[in-house]
Amino acid sequence: GESVGLHLPTLSVQEGDNSIINCAYSNSASDYFIWYKQESGKGPQFIIDIRSNMDKRQGQRVTVLLNKTVKHLSLQIAATQPGDSAVYFCAEKRSGNQFYFGTGTSLTVIP
Amino acid sequence: ETGVTQTPRHLVMGMTNKKSLKCEQHLGHNAMYWYKQSAKKPLELMFVYNFKEQTENNSVPSRFSPECPNSSHLFLHLHTLQPEDSALYLCASSQEPYTGANTGELFFGEGSRLTVL
Repeated sequence: GESVGLHLPTLSVQEGDNSIINCAYSNSASDYFIWYKQESGKGPQFIIDIRSNMDKRQGQRVTVLLNKTVKHLSLQIAATQPGDSAVYFCAEKRSGNQFYFGTGTSLTVIP
Repeated sequence: ETGVTQTPRHLVMGMTNKKSLKCEQHLGHNAMYWYKQSAKKPLELMFVYNFKEQTENNSVPSRFSPECPNSSHLFLHLHTLQPEDSALYLCASSQEPYTGANTGELFFGEGSRLTVL
C-alpha cells in the first residue's frame, strides 16, 4: 500500500552536531512535502517545505532534500540545540488537499 | 500562536456522554481538517472541509460527527465513544489551492486531549 514512513523511530545526537532525519514515501504523484516539529503537549509546527520541482531547499539551520527517483526525503538540522528535541514528521500532499503523515522520529539532543 | 485555536484542551468523558470539540482559525483559510493522533501511530486524517463543504471522510465511525458552519469554525461532535478513541485530536487549516502566493501548508492547533473512560 501507499505510505509515508520514517526510517528510524528515535535519534540521539550531541549538542552542536548535525542531525539527519529521513523519510520514505511511495506515492509518486505527491507534489508537495513538509517537515513538521512537534514538542510535547503542542500541535505540529511547520519547519520547512519543498515542492516536487525542487531537490533542495534551505532555511535557517535546516535543509530539506528530496530525491524523487528513490522517493526519499530528508531533514538536516545544523548545529543541533537542546530546543530541537522533539518529534519530527514528514508529510506528503496527495490528490486534492489530503496531507498524509509518517509515524515520526523522536530527536533527543544530549547536552 | 498558530492562528488555530482549539477548545477544550483536555476532555474526559464516559462512553455514553455527548461532547463537542471546537476549532477556530483566524488565518482567513478556506480549508479545515480534523486529525487523530494516537501514540506510536501516524497522524490519521479524519475529515476535510473545503469552503464549508466536506470533501473527505476517511472511513471515520459515525460516532464522530463533524460540523463546519463557516470557513473559520469546525466542530467535532462526539457520541457513545469507545476507550480506543482516546487520543489527541488536532484541527488544522490551509489555503487551497496552492497558487504560488501561498505556501499550502497546514497550520495546526494545540489539540484537544480526549480520554474516554
